[in-house]
Amino acid sequence: GAVVSQHPSRVICKSGTSVKIECRSLDFQATTMFWYRQFPKQSLMLMATSNEGSKATYEQGVEKDKFLINHASLTLSTLTVTSAHPEDSSFYICSASRQDRQHTEAFFGQGTRLTVV
Amino acid sequence: KQEVTQIPAALSVPEGENLVLNCSFTDSAIYNLQWFRQDPGKGLTSLLLIQSSQREQTSGRLNASLDKSSGRSTLYIAASQPGDSATYLCAVRPAGGSSNTGKLIFGQGTTLQVKP
Repeated sequence: GAVVSQHPSRVICKSGTSVKIECRSLDFQATTMFWYRQFPKQSLMLMATSNEGSKATYEQGVEKDKFLINHASLTLSTLTVTSAHPEDSSFYICSASRQDRQHTEAFFGQGTRLTVV
Repeated sequence: KQEVTQIPAALSVPEGENLVLNCSFTDSAIYNLQWFRQDPGKGLTSLLLIQSSQREQTSGRLNASLDKSSGRSTLYIAASQPGDSATYLCAVRPAGGSSNTGKLIFGQGTTLQVKP
């Protein structure tokens, strides 16, 4: 299957600092990537859709100024958690699908465990 | 609004048993349904993908069925092993918009424990 790589896998940061998470599609191009968030013992909730070359689309209730998304190339999307607070501590995971097929399978990165202290 | 529900939330079985995990969704307008496995603190591993036109998919000891009209899918695991212990998530891709995107709506997951 296709490979989606996410980095870092774990990060601990101080409250008030910003953290950048990278999501790369290693063997295919993805015009669209998705960022999800998962709280302990809960399912994945879509945060935003990252669109290559244009603005991201955020789900209701997600602050676009806090969760900055940049999709500068067909293989890389970044999520920056700005001015992080303890309540932002969570598991963040990205996904991408091949753009050249209909009804394609979604592939996920390994996830990033963010802890804000 | 599409909602995905998985039952049961947790399941514990002895090794060797066959088991069924259930997934239901409220809107039958989907492109496909995917089953994933998630180990604690890890990302998602795709297990099976069923297109909306398909009824089932099989991979090894896993078999997933889809009844789109009734909004249901099941994941059947044969001869369960301790290594199967994980959380199993089902997710649907809503129809509409670009079919090349991968936006998914997830269920809450079923946490499976297979005891040796």
